[in-house]
Amino acid sequence: DTGVSQNPRHKITKRGQNVTFRCDPISEHNRLYWYRQTLGQGPEFLTYFQNEAQLEKSRLLSDRFSAERPKGSFSTLEIQRTEQGDSAMYLCASTFVGGNYGYTFGSGTRLTVV
Amino acid sequence: GESVGLHLPTLSVQEGDNSIINCAYSNSASDYFIWYKQESGKGPQFIIDIRSNMDKRQGQRVTVLLNKTVKHLSLQIAATQPGDSAVYFCAENISGNTGKLIFGQGTTLQVKP
Repeated sequence: DTGVSQNPRHKITKRGQNVTFRCDPISEHNRLYWYRQTLGQGPEFLTYFQNEAQLEKSRLLSDRFSAERPKGSFSTLEIQRTEQGDSAMYLCASTFVGGNYGYTFGSGTRLTVV
Repeated sequence: GESVGLHLPTLSVQEGDNSIINCAYSNSASDYFIWYKQESGKGPQFIIDIRSNMDKRQGQRVTVLLNKTVKHLSLQIAATQPGDSAVYFCAENISGNTGKLIFGQGTTLQVKP
């Protein structure tokens, strides 16, 4: 297992299009988190899953955003009708509940909306 | 070299010197703190953590100090190397057992050879 994997690494899309990102966590980790990071800022929490259950969503996650983790393994984050303000790095992280929270981040998906 | 507060974005130090990066956290109820290192184009990388029942923890070349009285966290890097050049973020666990982290703004560390 080589860590948390995110695909694609980069995505350029036109405003109004839908995009979907995928995260493959470390296999034995049962918690998965999505964060968003804009240039020069720290990551901001979006949502998290424990196994397949989505337990919390941030106010940052508007109705255009949806995340799933159907089998408690990989997760997808979809943004519908993208806006220029959605341009950011979308980071995924995973950890094992009961351990500490120094979870492992993936390298992120850089979204640019033009 | 030393950074002060969350709003000094860049710390420049000479190779071999010690670096001190500071962070003020927001919630007195936070029970767990982490320092992350982020290099360009990569996700944050765990460096060291500390629980609120401790005031100091040491790793390899790094030390984290926690002062709960003034809600202050610092990261000390000994004998700073060019490979330490990156953005450093402190993060706090602010909401019990969800593991949700609140990140500070970050400090860019530049190491001059």
